[in-house]
Amino acid sequence: TQLLEQSPQFLSIQEGENLTVYCNSSSVFSSLQWYRQEPGEGPVLLVTVVTGGEVKKLKRLTFQFGDARKDSSLHITAAQPGDTGLYLCAGSRAGNMLTFGGGTRLMVKP
Amino acid sequence: GAVVSQHPSWVICKSGTSVKIECRSLDFQATTMFWYRQFPKQSLMLMATSNEGSKATYEQGVEKDKFLINHASLTLSTLTVTSAHPEDSSFYICSAAKPGGLETQYFGPGTRLLVL
Repeated sequence: TQLLEQSPQFLSIQEGENLTVYCNSSSVFSSLQWYRQEPGEGPVLLVTVVTGGEVKKLKRLTFQFGDARKDSSLHITAAQPGDTGLYLCAGSRAGNMLTFGGGTRLMVKP
Repeated sequence: GAVVSQHPSWVICKSGTSVKIECRSLDFQATTMFWYRQFPKQSLMLMATSNEGSKATYEQGVEKDKFLINHASLTLSTLTVTSAHPEDSSFYICSAAKPGGLETQYFGPGTRLLVL
């Protein structure tokens, strides 16, 4: 079983729609990171959240870390075809290595 | 910046041969590097943690004699898949962490291995 559960696993939407990806765990993390990966490439770090309740914005992407630091969400506003990719959340506990979620594969159709 | 490179990008080999994959941190020193394996449409699975100058720590179920890891310098770690078989075909990704910064890993572009 995954320590970090991501949902949905797959999402196909039309350009311009909004979406939210969730990352949930029963464990507390000292920080949580979101990555985006395109086919045949390595993951690229989007954001790191470290404080419970923290909200970070990156253009049309809004990331939130749960108050208890057990969950996180990624919200994309007005999705574009360029947002297509695999989104991965990864949690870290007290400086230890990252634990990855199962990933959410997003497809944005023009 | 924090750039990590991998070489080769692609490798096709015959069953039974050994394949070496290099992971380099180009603009920073990495005391710790990580090796992941990713199957199609799946997430990353950590194989091992590589610390400069010491033996790698392997995750449960990963054969250390099958996947040899060497981290001889602060900028280079290598993964050797020994006696590769078709089931070893996968996308191998390395990452590097700056000293004291294990929570932020910088990923390489990955190496796709196809064993025939």
